[in-house]
Amino acid sequence: GQQLNQSPQSMFIQEGEDVSMNCTSSSIFNTWLWYKQDPGEGPVLLIALYKAGELTSNGRLTAQFGITRKDSFLNISASIPSDVGIYFCAGQGAYSGAGSYQLTFGKGTKLSVIP
Amino acid sequence: DGGITQSPKYLFRKEGQNVTLSCEQNLNHDAMYWYRQDPGQGLRLIYYSQIVNDFQKGDIAEGYSVSREKKESFPLTVTSAQKNPTAFYLCASSIEGRDIGLAKNIQYFGAGTRLSVL
Repeated sequence: GQQLNQSPQSMFIQEGEDVSMNCTSSSIFNTWLWYKQDPGEGPVLLIALYKAGELTSNGRLTAQFGITRKDSFLNISASIPSDVGIYFCAGQGAYSGAGSYQLTFGKGTKLSVIP
Repeated sequence: DGGITQSPKYLFRKEGQNVTLSCEQNLNHDAMYWYRQDPGQGLRLIYYSQIVNDFQKGDIAEGYSVSREKKESFPLTVTSAQKNPTAFYLCASSIEGRDIGLAKNIQYFGAGTRLSVL
C-alpha cells in the first residue's frame, strides 16, 4: 500500500523560532492535508492542498503541495507554546473505486516548544 | 453544534469482554471511519463505511466489528479476539459518498476514546 514518510519524528524548539516539517510519498497524491493533534484529543484540520505547487497559509502556518505531487511541507513561523502537539500529514490518491477516498497518514511530528 | 461525538472518553475492558465505542455525527456526512492510534504508529484504519448498511475492512480489522444502521452512527465493538486492545480510538467522518465526482475527502475527527485493559 501507499506509505508516507514524515520527518522529523520529533523536534524541540525555542519559543519564537520557525519550524519546518515535511512528508514524502512513493505514490502521487491528489490532495494533501495537514492536521494537528493536542494531547488526548482528536486531530484538527489545519490546511488542505488540492493542486500541485499550491502554497496556502493559515495564520502563522504555511503549507505547500509539491510539484511532483509526492511531497508536502508545513512551516510554522514564530512558534508559541500552544503550538505544542503532534502534526500529521495525510494524502489522498485519485478515485479508483470503493474505498479509494481513504487517506494515508504519516506517523506524525511531535513538536515541543520551550518557553 | 455540528460535529462528531465519541463516547465514552475513557473505557476499561476486562479479559474476555466485548466493549462498544460510540460515534455519532450530525454533519450529514455519508462516510465514517474508525482509526486506532498507538504511540509512534500514527493512525491505522480499522473499518470504514461509505453509506448506511455497508462497511469495509481497513488495514487492522481483526478483532473488531462495526455496524452502520443509521447515517449518524457508526459504533465500533472491540471483541475478546482483539488481544491487544489498549489504544486511543478515533472516529472520523467525511462528506464522501459513492459520488465519483467528489474529489476531496477531508475527514473530521472526534475527540477519541482511550481504551485500557484491566
